[in-house]
Amino acid sequence: IQMTQSPSLLSASVGDRVTLSCKAGQNINNYLAWYQQKLGEAPKLLIYNANSLQTGIPSRFSGSGSGTDYTLTISSLQPEDVATYFCQQYNSWTTFGSGTKLEIK
Amino acid sequence: QVTLKESGPGILQPSQTLSLTCSFSGFSLSTYGMCVGWIRQSSGKGLEWLANIWWNDDKYYNPSLKNRLTISKDTSNNQAFLKITNMDTADTATYYCARSPRCDPGITTNWFAYWGQGTLVTVSS
Repeated sequence: IQMTQSPSLLSASVGDRVTLSCKAGQNINNYLAWYQQKLGEAPKLLIYNANSLQTGIPSRFSGSGSGTDYTLTISSLQPEDVATYFCQQYNSWTTFGSGTKLEIK
Repeated sequence: QVTLKESGPGILQPSQTLSLTCSFSGFSLSTYGMCVGWIRQSSGKGLEWLANIWWNDDKYYNPSLKNRLTISKDTSNNQAFLKITNMDTADTATYYCARSPRCDPGITTNWFAYWGQGTLVTVSS
């Protein structure tokens, strides 16, 4: 299943509400996870099952969506949120999106 | 506390076989519901899932690479392994092992809650 993330690059200001998009090539039944990857580090799980927040992740991160369209929202962007964000579907085998790189304006 | 750490040769030549080891702690791969997977990341292809192994020794492979992959485990020493045959320059990547929170019978993959730091493998003549 192809996963398409948009935009590929996003520049926003501290405090902004940020929305990242992930679109699946077919219905993935909410079997979707979001990861944050900072430079030189392994991916870190943020959200699973489309909208469940992983333990220890700040509540400013949230996930939503259904069917083929999913969204990761950061309610108030912080400097430490600079990273690349990936989505992963696990409805049929597993595939990852190509990522959205998030920068501070 | 769950930790995972990958180890590999660093560099190898085209056509050689890659052998990777994932050494982990904080869980046992003989416990019901435990599973470990391998994922790689290259600048050209992004994140690519390779294989998973279940506590009961069920194994699942990326269909596009299945012929080249072998996953296995040593529960006594808390290790998982991945072999990839006929390596090519296109296989140059950072290879990660990761654990899913729970892997029940009937599913082949899941999200990955714990990741190792990754090991860079370069294929070059």
